[in-house]
Amino acid sequence: NAGVTQTPKFRVLKTGQSMTLLCAQDMNHEYMYWYRQDPGMGLRLIHYSVGEGTTAKGEVPDGYNVSRLKKQNFLLGLESAAPSQTSVYFCASKKGSKPQHFGDGTRLSIL
Amino acid sequence: SQQGEEDPQALSIQEGENATMNCSYKTSINNLQWYRQNSGRGLVHLILIRSNEREKHSGRLRVTLDTSKKSSSLLITASRAADTASYFCATESAGGTSYGKLTFGQGTILTVHP
Repeated sequence: NAGVTQTPKFRVLKTGQSMTLLCAQDMNHEYMYWYRQDPGMGLRLIHYSVGEGTTAKGEVPDGYNVSRLKKQNFLLGLESAAPSQTSVYFCASKKGSKPQHFGDGTRLSIL
Repeated sequence: SQQGEEDPQALSIQEGENATMNCSYKTSINNLQWYRQNSGRGLVHLILIRSNEREKHSGRLRVTLDTSKKSSSLLITASRAADTASYFCATESAGGTSYGKLTFGQGTILTVHP
C-alpha cells in the first residue's frame, strides 16, 4: 500500500494563478483532511470530508475549495493564489476511530 | 486558534537522556494524540490517550493526561539521535460531531546529540 500520496511535492505559482493539489489514499478511509503548516504555528485544518461527495470547512477555509468526487481522492483548489497561501500543505486520512495517516506534504510558494 | 500550546518550543539533549515535552489545551476532549515529524516529511502517529485514561506507554514513550489541568506530557526515555524530530500534540474535541478533526499545538523541536 502506498498510504497517502500528495501531488505535486513542490510548486511555485504567481499571484492570481490557480492550481489544484491532489491527495490520494489507498486504504479505503472515510475521512480525509487538508491542513496547512506555517512556521511556528503547527497544523491548521483547511477543509475536511467525512465521505464521498461531502466536504466541510475547517479552521482556515478562506481562499480554498475542495472536492471529493471519489472516496480515494480529496482535491484542494486555489482559485486565485495569494502570497499568504505560501505554506506546506498536508493531507491526511483516517478510518473510524483510528489515528490519521499523513502524506509527505506539498510545498507551495506564491510569488 | 491553536488549541494546544507546547512547551518547550525547542529541546536539546544528549543521547541516553530522557526528553519531556508538555502540552496544554483549552476545551474538553475525546482524546489527545502525539505525532512526530521528521524534517521534510509528514506527521507520524505515535500514541493516543483517551480522556478517561491517565497514563499510557508504548515502547520508550510514556504519555500522561491530566484533564483537570487540561495538560499532557510526552516522555521519551533513553533518547537516540534518531529521535531528533518535531513533536506535536493534537486534540480531538469532545462531542459526537468532531469527525476526528484535530487541533494541533505548535510543536516541540527535539534535537538529540550523539
